[in-house]
Amino acid sequence: EAGVAQSPRYKIIEKRQSVAFWCNPISGHATLYWYQQILGQGPKLLIQFQNNGVVDDSQLPKDRFSAERLKGVDSTLKIQPAKLEDSAVYLCASSYSGGVGEIYNEQFFGPGTRLTVL
Amino acid sequence: QKEVEQNSGPLSVPEGAIASLNCTYSDRGSQSFFWYRQYSGKSPELIMSIYSNGDKEDGRFTAQLNKASQYVSLLIRDSQPSDSATYLCAVSHSSASKIIFGSGTRLSIRP
Repeated sequence: EAGVAQSPRYKIIEKRQSVAFWCNPISGHATLYWYQQILGQGPKLLIQFQNNGVVDDSQLPKDRFSAERLKGVDSTLKIQPAKLEDSAVYLCASSYSGGVGEIYNEQFFGPGTRLTVL
Repeated sequence: QKEVEQNSGPLSVPEGAIASLNCTYSDRGSQSFFWYRQYSGKSPELIMSIYSNGDKEDGRFTAQLNKASQYVSLLIRDSQPSDSATYLCAVSHSSASKIIFGSGTRLSIRP
């Protein structure tokens, strides 16, 4: 079974530029998550999709970050404009269920995209 | 108070010994508990999940959950140098299904 795919693996941009990340979840996984992980910290949830609907985006900085999941499969996360503090690893994860009321929501992570903002 | 707390370490354990990693959480309604291993420069890898009080064993790993004390731990028996990594504790409330991660404990297995 193929895992979660992400691209690009690395990205270096200057502040105020825009950047986009792509994620393809494990086949059959309805729930997709985007996390931001800053060095030395645990992953922080940015947004959670159930199929193509948003379940939780309470920690997404909506003035500069946006995400979409068209057709309930692939997802893109965009930052525009980027700030220095956005330098982090952006992780995509997926789970089979993870719907409201479910407790069995084991998540599997992709390799991540390391973003450096100069 | 952080929602999920872990000692950042580093925790140094001799090869062959038992490594004990601990985690406390603040939400009494939490239902799902996970341990992830993260090697430097890599993404988190799920190694254990536990949903009910007591112990759950999988190979050299044992997860222990005590909901009354809001405490979850991970024991690694016969520690190997390849176990050297950061271990992330993660907790989820059933109604929201959002997983909250701790900051992780760095484990170092010395030969």
